[in-house]
Amino acid sequence: DGGITQSPKYLFRKEGQNVTLSCEQNLNHDAMYWYRQDPGQGLRLIYYSQIVNDFQKGDIAEGYSVSREKKESFPLTVTSAQKNPTAFYLCASTNYLGGRYSGANVLTFGAGSRLTVL
Amino acid sequence: RKEVEQDPGPFNVPEGATVAFNCTYSNSASQSFFWYRQDCRKEPKLLMSVYSSGNEDGRFTAQLNRASQYISLLIRDSKLSDSATYLCVIDSGSARQLTFGSGTQLTVLP
Repeated sequence: DGGITQSPKYLFRKEGQNVTLSCEQNLNHDAMYWYRQDPGQGLRLIYYSQIVNDFQKGDIAEGYSVSREKKESFPLTVTSAQKNPTAFYLCASTNYLGGRYSGANVLTFGAGSRLTVL
Repeated sequence: RKEVEQDPGPFNVPEGATVAFNCTYSNSASQSFFWYRQDCRKEPKLLMSVYSSGNEDGRFTAQLNRASQYISLLIRDSKLSDSATYLCVIDSGSARQLTFGSGTQLTVLP
């Protein structure tokens, strides 16, 4: 079955450590996204990528980094510069056609990674 | 003003009740509208898209009012399994994609 796989599901980090969250999709989607969700809040965009080897900052990119070396993979690194990293991180993907998104602009999400800083 | 605003709730309703949520948006150029459902500690999943003419999927009805810049979701004959957080999602058509509301929490009580 096609889908998005995020790992690890739960992660604990000590202050000052970098951690990398994995996101892999086999949906052949061009566009991939990382969101952060805090309790009682909506999703906030961290980074997004519309094509391999290219990515753009979202609304809360500070303290995060990404890479897009393969179409299927969009890992997110939470660096020590991120002052409040405890959150639920969601990776998503969608189709991307000819410079415009397809009519039904629907995101498919991974199951999420829950990061806790100790 | 936030780009997308929802009443956070919680809405606590008995089984069989009808409940409605509204969501307002600030960008008049917004092009596409969606309702996602998110269960506790899970990822959001698409519930339904919202079309200009309004659309229905079983017990769920979604409507769009462009003049007043809001969308709505009506759930009829509520089931216990409808308990979740409902996220309003707006696509402005920019490359930054979708803007999410903070969600409305619904609990259906037996």
